[in-house]
Amino acid sequence: DTAVSQTPKYLVTQMGNDKSIKCEQNLGHDTMYWYKQDSKKFLKIMFSYNNKELIINETVPNRFSPKSPDKAHLNLHINSLELGDSAVYFCASSQAWGFEEKLFFGSGTQLSVL
Amino acid sequence: EDKVVQSPLSLVVHEGDTVTLNCSYEVTNFRSLLWYKQEKKAPTFLFMLTSSGIEKKSGRLSSILDKKELFSILNITATQTGDSAVYLCAVDSGTASKLTFGTGTRLQVTL
Repeated sequence: DTAVSQTPKYLVTQMGNDKSIKCEQNLGHDTMYWYKQDSKKFLKIMFSYNNKELIINETVPNRFSPKSPDKAHLNLHINSLELGDSAVYFCASSQAWGFEEKLFFGSGTQLSVL
Repeated sequence: EDKVVQSPLSLVVHEGDTVTLNCSYEVTNFRSLLWYKQEKKAPTFLFMLTSSGIEKKSGRLSSILDKKELFSILNITATQTGDSAVYLCAVDSGTASKLTFGTGTRLQVTL
């Protein structure tokens, strides 16, 4: 059973489009995250939710909007996609807020904006 | 701003060699340092270090932290081709539940 699953694995789209990435975890964790990994493999946090509440919102354009319908799901919606949004987006979860030592990552969504 | 720097950026070794990967950090409030291995997809957890001078070991991999000098090393002995991956260092500064990652070291082990 996959602990943290995200879909789709690959996303190729045109500039200006709107797209969503879904993430679900079946670990019973309270905290979920979105990380962006650029072409140089640099992983940077974007958002963190604890029990459906937004905890971290790093300097991310407001075209990116996370949504957490329940604590097992954290989706990422991106409006008006730009070339610079091309990256791999990782969803992750941890037991609780402040217990991020055991971060469990999803397999990533490779987003290519043309 | 919290900062994590890894070196070297990339490394190519022969199977059987021993490698040392470096991670230095500057954070406002250190709580722990973590090492992850990233192969094709998701990073997987290797070690968490909180105390200086105590080595963590798992098979051929080991890691140690120096809180005074603000760095950690990850050692891999008798490398195998399966060790080829990007190794990521991250620091938990206890700030609102986020990790600051380094840029990673890409290790390639050749036959």
